[in-house]
Amino acid sequence: QSALTQPPSASGSPGQSISISCTGTSRDIGTYNYVSWYQQHPGKAPKLIIYEVYKRPSGVPDRFSASKSGNTASLTVFGLQAEDEADYYCTSYATTHYVFGTGTKVTVL
Amino acid sequence: QVQLQESGPGLVKPSETLSLTCGVSGFSISSNYYWAWIRQSPERGLEWIGSVHHSGYTSYNPSFKSRVTVSIDTSRSHFSLTLTSVAAADTAVYYCVRTMQSAAFDMWGQGTLVTVSS
Repeated sequence: QSALTQPPSASGSPGQSISISCTGTSRDIGTYNYVSWYQQHPGKAPKLIIYEVYKRPSGVPDRFSASKSGNTASLTVFGLQAEDEADYYCTSYATTHYVFGTGTKVTVL
Repeated sequence: QVQLQESGPGLVKPSETLSLTCGVSGFSISSNYYWAWIRQSPERGLEWIGSVHHSGYTSYNPSFKSRVTVSIDTSRSHFSLTLTSVAAADTAVYYCVRTMQSAAFDMWGQGTLVTVSS
């Protein structure tokens, strides 16, 4: 199975908003509302920030918002902060297995 | 709090078998979650390897074909990964991860680097 496609990089100044796309197929994102997003700082394990397309785990700031349309999911970070600089990955369930996105490096200018 | 800790050799020779164990503490491994192994390398990014449920149900990434086995020992609160016939491409950081019913990976171990080299 192929990885989900994400832009390699995204950037913004503090206070700005950025969006990251995650494109899959009708076999994964297009069929299942089991899309999740992860934030990973260097040398650390990924951290869950969005599950079931748009839900935020306890403790995740509401600056993180996500949605899905067709075969594409999106993550938006509002009011960018320095600590948001990290790698971001999407993933989707795809009938008995999981597929990850290629990852997006977010830089806070 | 929930903690997952990977353990196992950091160096494995080509063609041999990689074996890792994940100890789970602060949470019952017999609860209704799945337990997964995920790896990460610069070349291949994040890859889901396989998952196990305390009922014994397992699922695997087809890319690993018959090389992988994930098992669980509820009495010892741990689950394990076995990957046979390893090659340099299997060099990666391996994470053990708790998986929600909604297919999200909500708790991760710190990860352990496994290098395949002679």
